[in-house]
Amino acid sequence: RKEVEQDPGPFNVPEGATVAFNCTYSNSASQSFFWYRQDCRKEPKLLMSVYSSGNEDGRFTAQLNRASQYISLLIRDSKLSDSATYLCVVNYGGATNKLIFGTGTLLAVQP
Amino acid sequence: NAGVMQNPRHLVRRRGQEARLRCSPMKGHSHVYWYRQLPEEGLKFMVYLQKENIIDESGMPKERFSAEFPKEGPSILRIQQVVRGDSAAYFCASSVDRLEGYTFGSGTRLTVV
Repeated sequence: RKEVEQDPGPFNVPEGATVAFNCTYSNSASQSFFWYRQDCRKEPKLLMSVYSSGNEDGRFTAQLNRASQYISLLIRDSKLSDSATYLCVVNYGGATNKLIFGTGTLLAVQP
Repeated sequence: NAGVMQNPRHLVRRRGQEARLRCSPMKGHSHVYWYRQLPEEGLKFMVYLQKENIIDESGMPKERFSAEFPKEGPSILRIQQVVRGDSAAYFCASSVDRLEGYTFGSGTRLTVV
């Protein structure tokens, strides 16, 4: 089983649509969870941290379900500029605490 | 406040040559991580360093690859005797605390010809 698993997409949605991405992780010792965004051939950029209570940042809402080892990202009112690859990221836990990246979900917002 | 600085942005090497990739973390960040991204693939962890110490190198190939983060100066990822399969984007990231998210540099794109 992959450490972090995501649907690769692509998700093709019209402007204004609501889209949801899901992610599962295998290491129950993980403590930190993030969503990153990566534009084509550029560096990943932190979009938001994910907390057990759920958190919202403008049009973006992230949820964490520790029991199911499941993370989600909801984007409301999609913009053309939201087109990118969204990376689900989980810390490995233990002493090293390295971040493990999913392979990403590609979102293409159409005009 | 400059972000994570990587250089060079692009590096072309012939097979058998050495590649040296440099990374200066953000000011105040003492944790440095190197990741590799092959074409059409996800980011793969390579190594985690703190000043003068390698904390976790479980993602580093056993041969030809090495990394350091000296007391003074940038972190260096060194690839000896490069092969075509080493062609990839190499990203460096830093963090202030190992539980926080990372800030990435803009990467070095290595092409081996």
